[in-house]
Amino acid sequence: QVQLQESGPGLVKPSQTLSLTCTVSGGSISDSGSYWSWIRQHPGKGLEWIGFISHTGYTFYNPSLKSRIGISADTSKSQFSLRLTSVTAADTAVYFCAKENGRSYFFDCWGQGTLVTVSS
Amino acid sequence: SYVLTQPLSVSEAPGQTARISCGGDNVGSKSVHWYQQRPGQAPMLVVYDDSDRPSGITERFSGSKSGNTATLTIMRVEAGDEADYYCQVWDVTSDVVFGGGTKLTVL
Repeated sequence: QVQLQESGPGLVKPSQTLSLTCTVSGGSISDSGSYWSWIRQHPGKGLEWIGFISHTGYTFYNPSLKSRIGISADTSKSQFSLRLTSVTAADTAVYFCAKENGRSYFFDCWGQGTLVTVSS
Repeated sequence: SYVLTQPLSVSEAPGQTARISCGGDNVGSKSVHWYQQRPGQAPMLVVYDDSDRPSGITERFSGSKSGNTATLTIMRVEAGDEADYYCQVWDVTSDVVFGGGTKLTVL
């Protein structure tokens, strides 16, 4: 049973870089057929897909965030990471990592989520 | 960009059937997935590929499509079903798209 766990700072200052890591257990991020994604949820709002990285290292990002995003993976640690630069208060959200089915693009396993607040 | 439209809220009494709609252009040609999100928890997949259920999801949850509308049906609604429900598709122009979410209230 694949499990995902987000980790990283809960508070980031405006204009700085948000960095989060997702640790995958019970499975390998090198397995084909899955994409490893980040999704966020602003307080009291809906879900916003951020982007994914595939088992080959291919990345694809939400166009609205593309200029500020980087997703990378460390297969030796079974981790993938999100970097979001130049953050503002509008980036305050719960950030989820999730496993995405590469065939039909649904998210069948989610981390518990981590709240990141952007504030000075 | 592609948009999925859901009602803000649906209410139903225990034991009744709740239906949550999800509308979008040409949604009939896309695979629709549904998630349940209880307060303070991560979303959980309850239906994928329009009408398939992941293992462990009760048969009370089912999905269907007709024309440009997909529907999540929850039979014999229980208090534990009270949650936010999101539909989701993949669109070639927008990639992953979520509906705005529907709050199910069990009366």
